[in-house]
Amino acid sequence: EMLLVESGGGLVQPGGSLTLSCAASGFSFATFAMNWVRQSPGKGLEWVSSITHTGGNTYYADSLKGRFAISRDNSRNTLSLRMSNLRAEDTAVYYCVKDLTGTRAFDVWGQGAVVTVSS
Amino acid sequence: QSVLTQPPSVSGAPGQRVTLSCTGNSSNIGAGYDVHWYQQIPGKAPKLIIHDNNKRPSGVPDRFSGSMSGTSASLAIAGLEAADEGDYYCQSFDSSLSGSVFGGGTKLTVL
Repeated sequence: EMLLVESGGGLVQPGGSLTLSCAASGFSFATFAMNWVRQSPGKGLEWVSSITHTGGNTYYADSLKGRFAISRDNSRNTLSLRMSNLRAEDTAVYYCVKDLTGTRAFDVWGQGAVVTVSS
Repeated sequence: QSVLTQPPSVSGAPGQRVTLSCTGNSSNIGAGYDVHWYQQIPGKAPKLIIHDNNKRPSGVPDRFSGSMSGTSASLAIAGLEAADEGDYYCQSFDSSLSGSVFGGGTKLTVL
């Protein structure tokens, strides 16, 4: 079974930093592009960032460039999202998501990590 | 405001067929980028139900079908069941934004 398990969520003050991690299992992690998608309370889905299977290319939503950094460690089957200068509007559930081969569809989702930015 | 436009809500009686729409523009759906659909039950992670416009992942009933035309896409659900209640999101790629984009979601109510 393909599984993604996020960790590292929590409460952080405005302006603070947080790093989310995602542990992958049940598939060949190093052969798939990976993503982060977030969902603010009561709102819809928002794509955050993507990284190619080698980690050689990264992509970000325009509104997040410069504050968020995606990375991966294929030797540990782990995806990360470093978030800095956090704002109240970054409060959301952050999902670790796997690309479906050959498409930009997201076929495996983690359970989500809750990030709350508040003083 | 989402790049892809979906109606906020749609409803239907058990057994009926409903259609959910997703409207984009020339930078996304109209440019030929594939559309994917997700079902989200409250409190759960989204689930992929249609990819590449009209393909169903293994395990998704054939009551779910997708289509697209021009700058729009549609998800049809036949033989509505109470378990189909939830939020449905469309997704595509936008060349002007260089990233994936989602619709705002449609809440499906089974009467």
